[in-house]
Amino acid sequence: AQSVTQLGSHVSVSEGALVLLRCNYSSSVPPYLFWYVQYPNQGLQLLLKYTSAATLVKGINGFEAEFKKSETSFHLTKPSAHMSDAAEYFCAVSGSNYKLTFGKGTLLTVNP
Amino acid sequence: NAGVTQTPKFRILKIGQSMTLQCTQDMNHNYMYWYRQDPGMGLKLIYYSVGAGITDKGEVPNGYNVSRSTTEDFPLRLELAAPSQTSVYFCASIPAGSTDTQYFGPGTRLTVL
Repeated sequence: AQSVTQLGSHVSVSEGALVLLRCNYSSSVPPYLFWYVQYPNQGLQLLLKYTSAATLVKGINGFEAEFKKSETSFHLTKPSAHMSDAAEYFCAVSGSNYKLTFGKGTLLTVNP
Repeated sequence: NAGVTQTPKFRILKIGQSMTLQCTQDMNHNYMYWYRQDPGMGLKLIYYSVGAGITDKGEVPNGYNVSRSTTEDFPLRLELAAPSQTSVYFCASIPAGSTDTQYFGPGTRLTVL
């Protein structure tokens, strides 16, 4: 069975600061991993995905994530936060029949 | 392609009422899913289908039913609405053999009072 743990339900950064959102996973098979972003009252938008190719994955809006098998982690980073990055972020792992198991989410606040 | 569409966008139900949330995809995807999203809890899988005529339970199926008579449609039925079913519901689909992510619909916000 798969599981995802997102450390920190709320992360607050200043505009221009590094964004680091943490995700650890558990999977019995080599995982496919995803990060999604959700803006208020909107649906889910895919930021990036890891599907067993390069371990450093680049996504949209300047975000990237690194798959570290030894640490079972897939942390999301962005070098410089922008006000428009304020949203909720979800990490997910894919299991049998492509079913997704999501973390509980991290709300990112960006302060001016 | 319209992708994954969901109707209605919003609905308020009274306790004990029933309703069907509609989900349609026009991409000929085999796999379809229903998730619910509650604040602070992420998304949880309710039911899924691997093709027409085949459905299976996810993590939180109690209080819900599904059917899959066609490839395109995957309706979710609430028979006796309860306040615990107040949530945002997302439908998603993906083709067999994909290394991509699921395609999500825009969601249905349901309130049960």
